[in-house]
Amino acid sequence: AQKITQTQPGMFVQEKEAVTLDCTYDTSDQSYGLFWYKQPSSGEMIFLIYQGSYDEQNATEGRYSLNFQKARKSANLVISASQLGDSAMYFCAMREDTGRRALTFGSGTRLQVQP
Amino acid sequence: GAVVSQHPSRVICKSGTSVKIECRSLDFQATTMFWYRQFPKQSLMLMATSNEGSKATYEQGVEKDKFLINHASLTLSTLTVTSAHPEDSSFYICSARGQSRGLREKLFFGSGTQLSVL
Repeated sequence: AQKITQTQPGMFVQEKEAVTLDCTYDTSDQSYGLFWYKQPSSGEMIFLIYQGSYDEQNATEGRYSLNFQKARKSANLVISASQLGDSAMYFCAMREDTGRRALTFGSGTRLQVQP
Repeated sequence: GAVVSQHPSRVICKSGTSVKIECRSLDFQATTMFWYRQFPKQSLMLMATSNEGSKATYEQGVEKDKFLINHASLTLSTLTVTSAHPEDSSFYICSARGQSRGLREKLFFGSGTQLSVL
């Protein structure tokens, strides 16, 4: 069963507008972490934001915020005031706090910011 | 922030040759390093987990004799693709996890290696 689901293969947004990238996850663990990474065409993975399963408040990092709805098992990324440089692939990932603690990635969403 | 250096960034090799990719944590000690593989327009798939001083743990379907992983020190892990074939052509990327609690919540990624086997 897929553990991380990103249902939007591609998204368009106008510059300066906000956009939400969807992510749902599946785990039976009580303790886990949720991450969002940005991957530009150069291939590097850029860490954006982290949410722990026990964190009561939604994480925020500058223009990025994570809409964490634990009961729904969703961890959507909200990018406010989109910029042209935000055009990239975005991956949602989960780290379960048991076992090897590796990241499991979703299939990604390609975001294109239009001027 | 913590930096992970990965070399080479791009390599082209002939079929049948071996290629070594290095992943080095520059300003922290990485007890665990992960190796991922990414095909074009696809997600990152975990290949193996390496812990310093012990054998790597490979994911199901990953040939350990094909993809040799060595993690001899707390700052260096290497992935060697042995007898490479065109189907091994892919983007390989490493990530490292630090020892301290402050670093434990993040994995730091190298910049990746694009391998093309002719």
